[in-house]
Amino acid sequence: DIQMTQSPSSLSASVGDRVTITCRASQGIGNYLAWFQQKPGKAPKSLIYAASSLQSGVPSKFSGSGSGTDFTLTISSLQPEDFATYYCQQYNTYPFTFGPGTKVDIK
Amino acid sequence: QVQLVESGGGVVQPGRSLRLSCAASGFTFSSYGVHWVRQAPGKGLEWVAVISYDGRNKYYADSVKGRFTISRDNSKDTLYLQMNSLRAEDTAVFFCAKDRERYCTGGSCPFDFWGQGTLVTVSS
Repeated sequence: DIQMTQSPSSLSASVGDRVTITCRASQGIGNYLAWFQQKPGKAPKSLIYAASSLQSGVPSKFSGSGSGTDFTLTISSLQPEDFATYYCQQYNTYPFTFGPGTKVDIK
Repeated sequence: QVQLVESGGGVVQPGRSLRLSCAASGFTFSSYGVHWVRQAPGKGLEWVAVISYDGRNKYYADSVKGRFTISRDNSKDTLYLQMNSLRAEDTAVFFCAKDRERYCTGGSCPFDFWGQGTLVTVSS
């Protein structure tokens, strides 16, 4: 199975900060990488697919990059509604696997 | 608008069975693969299973293979997960999620919409 890692596991940031989260796959996955946002008690929300394509309705403050094994999610200017846990996921090969998550909270 | 609504969760004893449902609306259900993903309390997301748009292709996580069966009824726009031989470690919120693209088989298709989840608790 492809293992996904994320760093950091958590971070504290202020409104307006630029935030970057890193995701690494244990083997190359091309650009078959997605990012999800999850708030407490809620279902995950799809943000990005194909490493850098925004899902419909997702604001452009979210951006993704990378290919192969190394990927990043960037939030350009953090807003109160962005405080959440973010997960990456590879969908190159079954079983699909998720990273352990990065919790973004308020400094 | 796209909606996925899970149901069927509850408290069940170890070794017993439970069937989850995911009712779809707002899109042509029969054209899309659908997945089950679970999340144990306080833990991360774990992909469980997928079924192709036509029901012909199914894949499972090793942790549930041989115990869980994914199926669908395209005439009822509904996805199912039959869970047998349940264990305490199966305790989780189960979400369904659909492929973003139509007619995807064999993987390499991302999710888009998710349901709100249904809680399964395995306990004596």
